[in-house]
Amino acid sequence: RKEVEQDPGPFNVPEGATVAFNCTYSNSASQSFFWYRQDCRKEPKLLMSVYSSGNEDGRFTAQLNRASQYISLLIRDSKLSDSATYLCVVNLHNNDMRFGAGTRLTVKP
Amino acid sequence: GAVVSQHPSWVICKSGTSVKIECRSLDFQATTMFWYRQFPKQSLMLMATSNEGSKATYEQGVEKDKFLINHASLTLSTLTVTSAHPEDSSFYICSASAGGGAFFGQGTRLTVV
Repeated sequence: RKEVEQDPGPFNVPEGATVAFNCTYSNSASQSFFWYRQDCRKEPKLLMSVYSSGNEDGRFTAQLNRASQYISLLIRDSKLSDSATYLCVVNLHNNDMRFGAGTRLTVKP
Repeated sequence: GAVVSQHPSWVICKSGTSVKIECRSLDFQATTMFWYRQFPKQSLMLMATSNEGSKATYEQGVEKDKFLINHASLTLSTLTVTSAHPEDSSFYICSASAGGGAFFGQGTRLTVV
C-alpha cells in the first residue's frame, strides 16, 4: 500500500461547481497534514494545513479524520484559476514529507 | 513564508557530464533538506534526505554514487548528477521545512542530450 493515496483524476468541472478531493495515508503515526497546489512546470506551493477540527480558508475547506486516516479538500465556487494539481502531503516525522500522486483539476468556462 | 532558492532553474548538458544543483534556505536555517525528482505527469518522488554535517540518506533505488549530495552548511545543500544520461532528464526540486510546513525551491529542469 502506498504511503499516501489520492485519486489522480482528472476532475473536469464547470466554473462555479463544488469539487472534493480525498486522500488516505497509511502511517497512523503521521504528525501533520497539508494540501499543496502545483501548477504545470512549477514547484508545489502550500495551499493550507489540515487540522483535526477542520479548517476553512475562503472557498477552501480541509478536513482530517485521524481514525480513518483520511484527509479531504473541498473547493466551492470553482474558478478558472483553480485549475492545477492538488497534492496531499503527510509529515511522517522530523519533517519527512510524503506526497500523494496529486489530483488534477481543470475548471472550464 | 520561508524562502528556499534553487539554482539553476534549467540546464541542458551533454551526456556524460556532471551537473550541480544548489538549494539555499534564504531566511532560515535548515538542518535537513530533501531532494525530489518529478517525471512528466508523475508525482514528486523523494530521492534523498540531506543532513547538515553528515551523510545523506538515500531512498531505495537511488544510486548514491550517481546523485552526490553535500550539505556543508545550515543554508546550503547541493545535488550533483554525475555522468548524466538522457534518462536522468527530469524536474529536480529541493525542499526544507520550517514552521511545520515544507517550502520548495523553484525546481531545476535538467535535460541531458
